[in-house]
Amino acid sequence: EPEVTQTPSHQVTQMGQEVILRCVPISNHLYFYWYRQILGQKVEFLVSFYNNEISEKSEIFDDQFSVERPDGSNFTLKIRSTKLEDSAMYFCASRRDRARNTEAFFGQGTRLTVV
Amino acid sequence: DQQVKQNSPSLSVQEGRISILNCDYTNSMFDYFLWYKKYPAEGPTFLISISSIKDKNEDGRFTVFLNKSAKHLSLHIVPSQPGDSAVYFCAASAKNDYKLSFGAGTTVTVRA
Repeated sequence: EPEVTQTPSHQVTQMGQEVILRCVPISNHLYFYWYRQILGQKVEFLVSFYNNEISEKSEIFDDQFSVERPDGSNFTLKIRSTKLEDSAMYFCASRRDRARNTEAFFGQGTRLTVV
Repeated sequence: DQQVKQNSPSLSVQEGRISILNCDYTNSMFDYFLWYKKYPAEGPTFLISISSIKDKNEDGRFTVFLNKSAKHLSLHIVPSQPGDSAVYFCAASAKNDYKLSFGAGTTVTVRA
C-alpha cells in the first residue's frame, strides 16, 4: 500500500539553527500539507501546497517557515531559525485530489527537538 | 483556536464492550467530519468520515453519528478490541476549505 514517508524520524537541533524536514508524498497525489503536534496538544494545520505554491497557511506559519517541492517527489518544510517552542511532532500529509471525500494520508512524523 | 473539541482526554473500556468517543465543534461552516486513529510513533490514519447531509455512517465495527443542531458527533466502536487502543482524533473541514481542524484527541485503552 502506498504511504507517505518522512525523514528523519527524530531531529535534534540547537536553537537558532535551520532545519529541513523531508516528506515523500504518495506519487499520484496533488495536494500536500504540513501539520504539527506539540506534546500534549492537538494536531495543528501549518500549510497546504498545490501546483507548486502555497494554497493556504495558518498564523503559525510565519516568515521563519517555508515549503518547497524541489524535485517533483520530495516536499520539504524548512524552519530557518528554530526556537524552543518549535519542538513538536511534524506530520506531512497528501491527498489525491480536493474532493471532500478524499482522505488525507499522513506520514509517521518527524519529532523535532530544539535545545 | 478551539473549533473542534474532544473533552474526554481518555477512555478505558472492556474488550467486547462499546467505546463511545465524543466530539463537539463550534464552527457552523464545518460540513465534513472525520475520525483519525493514531498509534504511538505513527501518523494519524483515516478511520471514517461523514458529510453533513447525513446523520450516520457505518463501516464495520465503526459508526459515526452526527447531530448538526447540537454541533456534536460521536464515534462508536462495537465491539471494542485490544487493537483499538490508540489515540482517536476528531477532525472537521468547511466547504471550500480543504485543511483539517483537529480536536485534541482521546486516548482509548481497551482492557482484556
